[in-house]
Amino acid sequence: GDSVTQMEGPVTLSEEAFLTINCTYTATGYPSLFWYVQYPGEGLQLLLKATKADDKGSNKGFEATYRKETTSFHLEKGSVQVSDSAVYFCALSDPGGGADGLTFGKGTHLIIQP
Amino acid sequence: EAGVTQSPTHLIKTRGQQATLRCSPISGHTSVYWYQQALGLGLQFLLWYDEGEERNRGNFPPRFSGRQFPNYSSELNVNALELEDSALYLCASSDWTSGHNEQFFGPGTRLTVL
Repeated sequence: GDSVTQMEGPVTLSEEAFLTINCTYTATGYPSLFWYVQYPGEGLQLLLKATKADDKGSNKGFEATYRKETTSFHLEKGSVQVSDSAVYFCALSDPGGGADGLTFGKGTHLIIQP
Repeated sequence: EAGVTQSPTHLIKTRGQQATLRCSPISGHTSVYWYQQALGLGLQFLLWYDEGEERNRGNFPPRFSGRQFPNYSSELNVNALELEDSALYLCASSDWTSGHNEQFFGPGTRLTVL
């Protein structure tokens, strides 16, 4: 079945550092790919998405590119802030439109220190 | 535009009791998904409702059930509660006909089973 693998962390960085959170997936066909963010005590917020190979999703300074050849969707940000501290989830949706819900990675806990 | 809402925010029950959780989707969305986020287990797909029908369920026992009402709101019922049912239950809505299954999440209901 489909699966998503991401580094679990915690990942600790200093403010203004460069961020990369790796995400790789296993799926048949061409899934849609997503990054969600969860702040403490809250639900998930959609951060960005990409629906086909070579698409780049971007939002709030975060970017991720759908790489079919490496089955990856790594999240990057050039300069992180303390307010970016949260848990980040990589997820995929099967090409059929979602009968099995989203498949999530285990989440990466990001801590940004001032 | 109002987002996905869930109630109650917190729910405390004892073993063997029943819990009922509620979700209202974004206006115009006909699909509702339920997920369980248990400590150490990550996010797991529970149920998918669309147009009033249960379309698919994840690997959970039958005591997890629910329904979707004509206004597309949804209810999740958990019968014969067990300690391991303690988790954050997240509801998401989607306009899955777009083909990409972009899901928008509510804040969740924290269920504690004592």
